[in-house]
Amino acid sequence: GQNIDQPTEMTATEGAIVQINCTYQTSGFNGLFWYQQHAGEAPTFLSYNVLDGLEEKGRFSSFLSRSKGYSYLLLKELQMKDSASYLCAVGNNAGNMLTFGGGTRLMVKP
Amino acid sequence: ETGVTQSPTHLIKTRGQQVTLRCSSQSGHNTVSWYQQALGQGPQFIFQYYREEENGRGNFPPRFSGLQFPNYSSELNVNALELDDSALYLCASSLGESTNVLTFGAGSRLTVL
Repeated sequence: GQNIDQPTEMTATEGAIVQINCTYQTSGFNGLFWYQQHAGEAPTFLSYNVLDGLEEKGRFSSFLSRSKGYSYLLLKELQMKDSASYLCAVGNNAGNMLTFGGGTRLMVKP
Repeated sequence: ETGVTQSPTHLIKTRGQQVTLRCSSQSGHNTVSWYQQALGQGPQFIFQYYREEENGRGNFPPRFSGLQFPNYSSELNVNALELDDSALYLCASSLGESTNVLTFGAGSRLTVL
């Protein structure tokens, strides 16, 4: 079976740092993906991890521990435009399907 | 380069009807995936098409069917619509059959009454 858990909502302050956690239990694994989705818009790809460790991309970083079934997305220097849903997803072994968590709605306040 | 475009953006149907949703993939992409996103939830995989063949299917009944055309555009057809089919239907394109770095369209919002 597939189970992906992430917090439903988070609130943070402009300029701060926020960490969005994701835990997963899946029958296959071919990468852990993070997508951003603004209300009413398409999800957009942020980052992915295949191996353990930290991947940094500007203000966004993503971490993976495969042995713990755990990932997080770290957002630094938060901006108002970062208010969005952040979707954690696991790729299957064939690489042709993503299983998404329910998404974390992040609200950035002034 | 053009992104993924979907049509229609919104539509309303009644139970039992049939619907066809359309998707044009991003230039250079040859794979199309379809996802269903209920309100407040993450997207759920319906199926993927690669080189005009179904290349993986999620846990959806056979009344959900699809096509991919030689120009890599795609259609999602849903027969015998049910109230629970009300959702945002997302099309995503990618290059190759084994990648999950997807470019999503803005979706078609279907309401079934």
